[in-house]
Amino acid sequence: QKEVEQNSGPLSVPEGAIASLNCTYSDRGSQSFFWYRQYSGKSPELIMFIYSNGDKEDGRFTAQLNKASQYVSLLIRDSQPSDSATYLCAVVDFGNEKLTFGTGTRLTIIP
Amino acid sequence: KAGVTQTPRYLIKTRGQQVTLSCSPISGHRSVSWYQQTPGQGLQFLFEYFSETQRNKGNFPGRFSGRQFSNSRSEMNVSTLELGDSALYLCASSLDLGKGNTIYFGEGSWLTVV
Repeated sequence: QKEVEQNSGPLSVPEGAIASLNCTYSDRGSQSFFWYRQYSGKSPELIMFIYSNGDKEDGRFTAQLNKASQYVSLLIRDSQPSDSATYLCAVVDFGNEKLTFGTGTRLTIIP
Repeated sequence: KAGVTQTPRYLIKTRGQQVTLSCSPISGHRSVSWYQQTPGQGLQFLFEYFSETQRNKGNFPGRFSGRQFSNSRSEMNVSTLELGDSALYLCASSLDLGKGNTIYFGEGSWLTVV
């Protein structure tokens, strides 16, 4: 069983709509959760970081963490064509000094 | 504030050669971790260093090694290169990975083995 799972997509969303990206993880000891955006040929760019249950908002982005259900999601409001990219979910387990990545979800915003 | 700097950005090597990649973390960050990204395997963890000590290592052969210097700069070395080592090598910087801190990536080093 993969430690971090994401739907690989592609996920197509109309411009201006809400894009919803989901990620599940297997280790209940997981501590910190990250969403990175990666454009083709570029390195991952940190979008959101969350470690407490609940929602965390930053501009058009909202990260939601539910530790009981072991999932973390990313909502992108008012989606723009520039949001088209691969979104990577990553997890850090307590006392385990590494990021474990999902395979990423390819998001396409349709103008 | 300067970001994470990786050098070289692009390089081409021949099978059997070795390569050294460098990473300078964000000022004040003491944790540096390395990742390999390939289309088939995604992002895979190589190793992590904190204050010159390797704290964690991924499932890669011994040809992959690294080190960290007292100024927190880190290098990774791959010896006896194989075609399958062609990948994007990413360095990540954190105050202290695994302790609830943010983690930022450099632009990466693109390695092509021919």
